[in-house]
Amino acid sequence: EVHLLESGGDLVQPGGSLRLSCTASGFPFSTYAMGWVRQAPGKGLEWVSVVGSTGIDTHYGDSAKGRFTISRDNSKNTLYLQLNSLRAEDTAVYFCASRIPYFGFENWGQGTMVTVSS
Amino acid sequence: DIQMTQSPSTLSASVGDRVTITCRASHNVYSWLAWYQHKPGKAPKVLVQQASSLGSGVPSRFGGSGYGTEFSLTINSLQPDDFATYYCQQYSDYPWTFGQGTKVEVK
Repeated sequence: EVHLLESGGDLVQPGGSLRLSCTASGFPFSTYAMGWVRQAPGKGLEWVSVVGSTGIDTHYGDSAKGRFTISRDNSKNTLYLQLNSLRAEDTAVYFCASRIPYFGFENWGQGTMVTVSS
Repeated sequence: DIQMTQSPSTLSASVGDRVTITCRASHNVYSWLAWYQHKPGKAPKVLVQQASSLGSGVPSRFGGSGYGTEFSLTINSLQPDDFATYYCQQYSDYPWTFGQGTKVEVK
C-alpha cells in the first residue's frame, strides 16, 4: 500500500525558514517524480513544485520561485521542501504527492501545517 | 502561466442527481488534465487522468471528457460520499495550475 507521510510543519516567524519532509513507502520511490501542493486556509489547491525521479529536474510555481527548494534522497525514500524567507501568505497545509509519466499526481499524503506568524 | 477556470464555484445537488463540472484552460493543454476530489482534513484523491482515464478504484459513476481547452467531470447518480470539492489541474506546461475548485454541497 502506498503511503506518504509529511512532517516538519510548524509555527515560524515571518522571514524564517523551515524544511518539510515526506517519507514514502509502498512503491519504488526512486522511479517516481514527486511534488508539493499547498492549500491556504479557506483557499483552493495551489501547485508548489515538482522534482524528477533523479532529483536533477525541478520546477516551481510562481510563489515558490527563489524562496523554496525541492530535493529528494532516494536512499531514504524521502522528499524535501526547504522554505526560506517565509511570509504570512505561505501559511498553508503542504501536501506531498507522487506522479508517474503522463499523469498528474497519483497518490497524496495527509499534509503538514505551516503557520507563518509573529 | 495557463489559467484554469472552473464552473460553477458551488453546486447544490441531491443524492441521485447527475452533476457536471466544467473546466476551461486559457491555452491548449491537449489531454494533460486531471480531476481531484478533496474533503476537509483529508488527502486529495485523483479521479481522472489524461482528461478521461478513470483512476484506480474510482467508481464508474465518475467520468471525464474534453480536449484542448474545454473539459468536464460528470458524476452520475450522486452518492452521499461525493459531497466534496473538486479541482481540475493541467500538467501540460509548467507551472502546473489548478482550477479554483467546485464545491458540491447538499441541496
